[in-house]
Amino acid sequence: DAGITQSPRHKVTETGTPVTLRCHQTENHRYMYWYRQDPGHGLRLIHYSYGVKDTDKGEVSDGYSVSRSKTEDFLLTLESATSSQTSVYFCAIRSGLLGNSYNEQFFGPGTRLTVL
Amino acid sequence: QQPVQSPQAVILREGEDAVINCSSSKALYSVHWYRQKHGEAPVFLMILLKGGEQKGHEKISASFNEKKQQSSLYLTASQLSYSGTYFCGTAPIIQGAQKLVFGQGTRLTINP
Repeated sequence: DAGITQSPRHKVTETGTPVTLRCHQTENHRYMYWYRQDPGHGLRLIHYSYGVKDTDKGEVSDGYSVSRSKTEDFLLTLESATSSQTSVYFCAIRSGLLGNSYNEQFFGPGTRLTVL
Repeated sequence: QQPVQSPQAVILREGEDAVINCSSSKALYSVHWYRQKHGEAPVFLMILLKGGEQKGHEKISASFNEKKQQSSLYLTASQLSYSGTYFCGTAPIIQGAQKLVFGQGTRLTINP
């Protein structure tokens, strides 16, 4: 499972409240990613990180911010949650176990977020 | 731009074969395949690189046609455990962060 945990696993919150999701990895991987998954859309990249304090936007970054102050933790924050952010959120790491060219990604167990 | 997968869904009997296709409008460096069971995380199956290299699952094969910007996943003699939704993820160039763009998924159901 590549040593990835996510917390919380389930959360229900109200519109307008801030929410922070945590991704924790135990294997010192440099690259980490946040995706959201919605029916009919597959997985869409929100933000990613290529090192401590080094982050960049993905294709659906509006309304989200991230932080990475330690190698092992990558936080996703919804500053003011909206109903459109109801989704399943997956964290992933780039393994590199197959070799530098392969860049396969492994996913955490996911967080189901409901915004009422 | 999101790659297009076909078919969107397929139902098979155990032992039958299936082919899932992934097509991109952009030139590709790599194609990744994942399987996701209901309520679980996507699981890495295999990766194919421009130039023909590939690594991954022992019992599942795939092809990558660089000129057509297409990849196909071949599931032969399907088992019940193959049921799930299959996603392809594509990367247009070799890059450090290897950002992937995923297709919308193909739901595969294997019946006894």
